Amino acid sequence: GDSVTQMEGPVTLSEEAFLTINCTYTATGYPSLFWYVQYPGEGLQLLLKATKADDKGSNKGFEATYRKETTSFHLEKGSVQVSDSAVYFCALSDSSGGGADGLTFGKGTHLIIQP
Amino acid sequence: DSGVTQTPKHLITATGQRVTLRCSPRSGDLSVYWYQQSLDQGLQFLIQYYNGEERAKGNILERFSAQQFPDLHSELNLSSLELGDSALYFCASSVDVGGNYEQYFGPGTRLTVT
Repeated sequence: GDSVTQMEGPVTLSEEAFLTINCTYTATGYPSLFWYVQYPGEGLQLLLKATKADDKGSNKGFEATYRKETTSFHLEKGSVQVSDSAVYFCALSDSSGGGADGLTFGKGTHLIIQP
Repeated sequence: DSGVTQTPKHLITATGQRVTLRCSPRSGDLSVYWYQQSLDQGLQFLIQYYNGEERAKGNILERFSAQQFPDLHSELNLSSLELGDSALYFCASSVDVGGNYEQYFGPGTRLTVT
């Protein structure tokens, strides 16, 4: 079945550092890929998405590129802020492969940014 | 605020009991999804409804059921509750079916089974 693998952390960085959170996936079809963020005590918010190979999703300084050849969708940000501290989830939807539209999530990466 | 509402925010109940969680999707969204978030299993897709009809099932237990009503709100029914059912239950909605449509999540219902 489909799966998503991401580093679990916690990942601790200093403010203004460069961020990379790795995400790789396996899927039978041509999935759409997503990054969601969950702040403490809240629901998930969509951060960015990409629906086909070589697409780059971007939002709030975060970027991720859909790499079909390496089945990856790594999240990057050039300069993180304390307010970026949260749990980040990589996810896919593989309905093109005959699957459900429901998202398959990675286990989440807890990011801690220190001032 | 995603526009998706869920009630109640918290629910505490005993083993063997039955509970109902309620979700109202964003205005205009026809598809509703239910997810379970637990420490053991992470985030898991349970079930999807589209315009009142069940569209897809994920890892939903037979003790759990859901429905979507004509006004598009949805309910998740959990019965014969066990300690392991304690989790955060999220509802999400999207405007249509198809994996490239964004899903917007509600704030969740935290279920504690004692």
